[in-house]
Amino acid sequence: AQSVAQPEDQVNVAEGNPLTVKCTYSVSGNPYLFWYVQYPNRGLQFLLKYITGDNLVKGSYGFEAEFNKSQTSFHLKKPSALVSDSALYFCAVRFNTNAGKSTFGDGTTLTVKP
Amino acid sequence: EAGVAQSPRYKIIEKRQSVAFWCNPISGHATLYWYQQILGQGPKLLIQFQNNGVVDDSQLPKDRFSAERLKGVDSTLKIQPAKLEDSAVYLCASSLGTGSHQPQHFGDGTRLSIL
Repeated sequence: AQSVAQPEDQVNVAEGNPLTVKCTYSVSGNPYLFWYVQYPNRGLQFLLKYITGDNLVKGSYGFEAEFNKSQTSFHLKKPSALVSDSALYFCAVRFNTNAGKSTFGDGTTLTVKP
Repeated sequence: EAGVAQSPRYKIIEKRQSVAFWCNPISGHATLYWYQQILGQGPKLLIQFQNNGVVDDSQLPKDRFSAERLKGVDSTLKIQPAKLEDSAVYLCASSLGTGSHQPQHFGDGTRLSIL
């Protein structure tokens, strides 16, 4: 079985400050890891993914994420937050097999204050 | 490219009634997914198609939910009869190819309210 935990329901940061949204996972073998963002009344939008290789992956809108195999974590980061980054963020894990099922965390609401 | 299209955007029905949702994935995308997103939770996979074949429907409540993807393109998800606990947003997503490394592209969902 695979699972994803996003330990913080809410993250608040000031504009211009760095932000981190945490994600830990449990899956046998080597996972594929994803971050998605959801704005109100919209579907999820893909931000970035880790497949293999460099542990630091870069994605859309200046976001990056660091894969840490020993801690089974995949935290989302951004050096300088914008008010427009305020949204709901989801971490997801998939088996690295053909047509592996995605399991999503319950999401973290990020609020960036001016 | 056009995104994943879903309709209707909103639906209100009474319990025990039936309802159907429609999804048109991105052109050329082989894999199509239906998710249920209950308020305050992440999306939960209901069913996954590759072309017009079912890959995973282990979490689909088959006594009341059904889905089909005719001709490997559009898909419909039906609930009959609906229960109060079915109130949720139903998201359709698609991905290019069949590999698990492919990101999913989501529609804006159908918000279902059961009275």
